Amino acid sequence: EVQLVESGGGLVQPGGSLRLSCAVSGFTFSSYWMHWVRQAPGKGLVCVSRINGDGSNIDYADSVKGRFTISRDNAKNTLYLQMNSLRAEDTAVYYCVREWRAFDIWGQGTMVSVSS
Amino acid sequence: EIVLTQSPATLSLSQGERATLSCRTSQSISRYLNWYQQTPGQTPRLLIYGASDRATDTPVRFSGSGSGTDFTLTISSLEPEDFAVYYCQQRFIWPYTFGQGTKVEIK
Repeated sequence: EVQLVESGGGLVQPGGSLRLSCAVSGFTFSSYWMHWVRQAPGKGLVCVSRINGDGSNIDYADSVKGRFTISRDNAKNTLYLQMNSLRAEDTAVYYCVREWRAFDIWGQGTMVSVSS
Repeated sequence: EIVLTQSPATLSLSQGERATLSCRTSQSISRYLNWYQQTPGQTPRLLIYGASDRATDTPVRFSGSGSGTDFTLTISSLEPEDFAVYYCQQRFIWPYTFGQGTKVEIK
């Protein structure tokens, strides 16, 4: 069964850091572009970052550039998002997503709350 | 950044009625347009990719059309489980962007 399971969310103060993980199973992880997509409470979907299969191509949304770092460990079938200098506007559910012609497989999401 | 504008914001319809949702992009994206469905408290689910191809397990009552800048998602006859929010998304150029969503609600 294809599965994406995020972890690492939580409550953090402004300026703090969190590291999200996404454990993947059921498909050849290294063959796919992977993304982090976030959704603020009651709002729409926003692409945060993406990484190709071998980690050689990476892109970020302007809103997180310089603060977030995406990475992957293909040996561990795991995707990561290191989030530094967190702001209140980063509060959202963060989804790990596989891309194949579209965002075809989504994780259940992990909530990140940035508040003092 | 490509901006996607969905209309209407809310569509109030009854079970069995036909729903027509629109998505317009700020520049041409060929057919790199996808549609997703999200029910309350749930993860988004891919319905349509490449403007008109149904994803695995997408019922045939869902159909997509369009190319360039104008796209349409049609639900031929609404079932109870279809009342949800629908998002369009372009993957023509990074950053991939989503529309603001159309809520299909029970009239």
